[in-house]
Amino acid sequence: QSVLTQPPSASGTPGQRVTMSCSGSSSNIGSNGVSWHQQLPGTAPKLLIYNNNQRPSGVPDRFSGSKSGTSASLAISGLQSEDEADYYCAAWDDSLNGPVFGGGTKLTVL
Amino acid sequence: EVQLVESGGGLVQPGGSRRLSCAVSGFTSSTYAMSWVRQAPGKSLEWVSAIVGDGSSTYYADSVKGRFTISRDNSRNTLYLQMDSLRAGDTAVYYCAKRAGYFDWSPFKWYFDLWGRGTLVTVSS
Repeated sequence: QSVLTQPPSASGTPGQRVTMSCSGSSSNIGSNGVSWHQQLPGTAPKLLIYNNNQRPSGVPDRFSGSKSGTSASLAISGLQSEDEADYYCAAWDDSLNGPVFGGGTKLTVL
Repeated sequence: EVQLVESGGGLVQPGGSRRLSCAVSGFTSSTYAMSWVRQAPGKSLEWVSAIVGDGSSTYYADSVKGRFTISRDNSRNTLYLQMDSLRAGDTAVYYCAKRAGYFDWSPFKWYFDLWGRGTLVTVSS
């Protein structure tokens, strides 16, 4: 059981906008920043969003993040087939003295 | 090129040991805290261990405390994970990951900004 809760799956058609959620608690998301990581099949995770809503250079502005209280969301607009991947949220947990991850959301582009 | 490359995975018997390595290139590794994160087959990511830039402090998840030891050799730009008393539940792909921007291990602006491709450790008889 992951500390952060994510829906196991999401889907959309090309061009559509999809969102996925990440729910935590006061010891993690409620008091620390959230990052999102994309994992394409058979590859290493890649940073998509950090500090709740910041994009590293090279990440398209189709990807955006937000946080409210103990929950966070990742939105992908203008969905493309290459966005089909697993998406993980992460946050520092004050109780663990380390990061915790969500269970991951598998995005399918129909 | 900035990259992390893990090695050392393989098949290990329960109760056995294995040492993983992570070669760092493209940046000065001593400047940043580094970590190991694992992913069991079909499962999510689990943080395992972390070490600060000069190696003076280390941190572990409860699931591996007392069995795993993280270390680094900054002269060789290499991170290590010594795994002892391995169990079937330790079977996973092990990734090394770089903490963005900071030497220490703390929640201040914490996130991983670089991951390696991983190395698979299978614990089975």
